[in-house]
Amino acid sequence: AQSVTQPDIHITVSEGASLELRCNYSYGATPYLFWYVQSPGQGLQLLLKYFSGDTLVQGIKGFEAEFKRSQSSFNLRKPSVHWSDAAEYFCAVGDQAGTALIFGKGTTLSVSS
Amino acid sequence: GAVVSQHPSWVICKSGTSVKIECRSLDFQATTMFWYRQFPKQSLMLMATSNEGSKATYEQGVEKDKFLINHASLTLSTLTVTSAHPEDSSFYICSARRLAGGREQFFGPGTRLTVL
Repeated sequence: AQSVTQPDIHITVSEGASLELRCNYSYGATPYLFWYVQSPGQGLQLLLKYFSGDTLVQGIKGFEAEFKRSQSSFNLRKPSVHWSDAAEYFCAVGDQAGTALIFGKGTTLSVSS
Repeated sequence: GAVVSQHPSWVICKSGTSVKIECRSLDFQATTMFWYRQFPKQSLMLMATSNEGSKATYEQGVEKDKFLINHASLTLSTLTVTSAHPEDSSFYICSARRLAGGREQFFGPGTRLTVL
């Protein structure tokens, strides 16, 4: 079955510390991978995406993610977290045909001062 | 570019009434639009795929007679929740894929529906 797993429901990180949010996927076709961020009551904002090529992708707001095919992972990282990064983060997978995305359950990020 | 809007952004209605939510691609044409539903503190779940000029394809467990989807033009899809009940209260988000193809979907800001 096709699925996305985000093992961490809630993570708390100190401001200025590094962050890694985990994402594992199970997908039959060539996966196209996305990370989105959602603030309370708001829609989704695309942080970054991976279609092909360099497995380390850079996104907005200083985020990056690394695609590891052997581990079926697409973990999101940021070297130094800001208080404004506190939000819900969703990993999603799609295919080259552009069908609907499959989302993980999300990880809530809290930032402590 | 690639902006998707939704209207209204939030709506409160009485039980038994119908509510229409619009999803528009503002600066591109979209052959396909997707409707997702998100319950509080949960992930997005696909409800249906809407293709311009044809009937929507609903996911298993989604009542097509309750959630009417119309994709009448390349820039507009509507979701009508008929005879709404409190359990239909949710956050509804649409996304659109360009006519010119491509793998990326562009998401609208969502519509918060509260049924009293």
